[in-house]
Parts: sequence; C-alpha cells; structure tokens
Amino acid sequence: EAGVTQFPSHSVIEKGQTVTLRCDPISGHDNLYWYRRVMGKEIKFLLHFVKESKQDESGMPNNRFLAERTGGTYSTLKVQPAELEDSGVYFCASSQWTSGSAYNEQFFGPGTRLTVL
Amino acid sequence: GEDVEQSLFLSVREGDSSVINCTYTDSSSTYLYWYKQEPGAGLQLLTYIFSNMDMKQDQRLTVLLNKKDKHLSLRIADTQTGDSAIYFCAALFSGGYNKLIFGAGTRLAVHP
Repeated sequence: EAGVTQFPSHSVIEKGQTVTLRCDPISGHDNLYWYRRVMGKEIKFLLHFVKESKQDESGMPNNRFLAERTGGTYSTLKVQPAELEDSGVYFCASSQWTSGSAYNEQFFGPGTRLTVL
Repeated sequence: GEDVEQSLFLSVREGDSSVINCTYTDSSSTYLYWYKQEPGAGLQLLTYIFSNMDMKQDQRLTVLLNKKDKHLSLRIADTQTGDSAIYFCAALFSGGYNKLIFGAGTRLAVHP
C-alpha cells in the first residue's frame, strides 16, 4: 500500500513568489493534516481536513496560506506571497476516520522542504 | 497554548541504553506518542501510550509515563547505529479533532 506522498520534495523560491505544495494521502483516509517545522523547532499543526471540509484551521499562520482539498482526495497548500519566515519543512499526514474514537494513527509523508530567499 | 518540550541532543555509545525525555502541559491528553524521523524520510510512529498506563514495552522500546509530573520518556535498549535519528514526542490535543502537539525533537547520535 502506498504511503503519504508529497510534491515537491524541495522548493527554493524568492520572497514574494507563490508556491503550491501537494499532498496525496493514503487511499481511503478521510482525515488529512498539514504540519510545519521551522528551523529545527517544534512541528506545528496548521490545519485538518475531513474529506473536503476544513475541520480545524486554527494553526494557519495568516491569510497568505490557502489550503484546499477538492473532491476529498489530494490536498494543496499555497503560499502567496511567500515570506522569509515561511521557510521550513511542511509535512502532510493522513488517517482513517473513526467516529467517536480519540485515537487515530496519523501517517506522515516525507515532507516538502521550502526555502524562501 | 499547549506545549511539549524535549532536550535537543543525545549522544550514546552503541550497545548502551538511550533515554529520551519529554514534558507536556496538556494534562487532558489521552494519548502520547513517540515518532522517529530518519534523514530524508517522514515521521514514523514508533510507539504510543494511553494516558491511563504507566508503562508500555515493545521489544527494545520502553515508554514510561508519569501523569502527575506530565513527563514521558522513551528508553531504547541496546542502542544501534540504525537508531540514529530525530525522535519527536507528541501529545494528542484534548480539545478535539486529533491535532498533535509536537516537541522540537531530540537528535540521537549513536557512536561506536
């Protein structure tokens, strides 16, 4: 079974440009999460989709970040315009939906390393 | 907000035991996790513990949970060079939606 995949693996852009990151979750996983790790610090939650709906977007830093999950399959995270502080590793994770259960293992992709110059 | 803290670096000799420590602030977290990240790879779930347990053992891994002190530890017995990686402690946010709160990661270096 294929795991969570992310594209691209690396992206180097200049400040002010736009970048779109893509995540393909494990087939059949309704939950999709985006996280970010900046400069060796903690991994921070950005947002959570259940199918195509945004369940929790409390971690999105500002309105330069736009996440979509049309059709409830893959997701994109667009940064426009990118700033220096957006540099970091963006992780995507997916999990199966289990109604009423607190535990739901999240499977992580390898991450996209974004460098904004 | 909720917070998870862990030491940033640990160096051990091959064959020794490694102990990675973590503290968290959300006393209502029901699950606590240890993830491993090898170079160029994603996060791999190593083990987890439910909050009503004190200890969980899985082969070379032992997780200890002190709920009173909100302290979690991961012990790796007979540490091997293949164990060199970054280890992340994470807590399931009790506010719902399965959001994970991570620490900054402990880089484990295993030397001969």
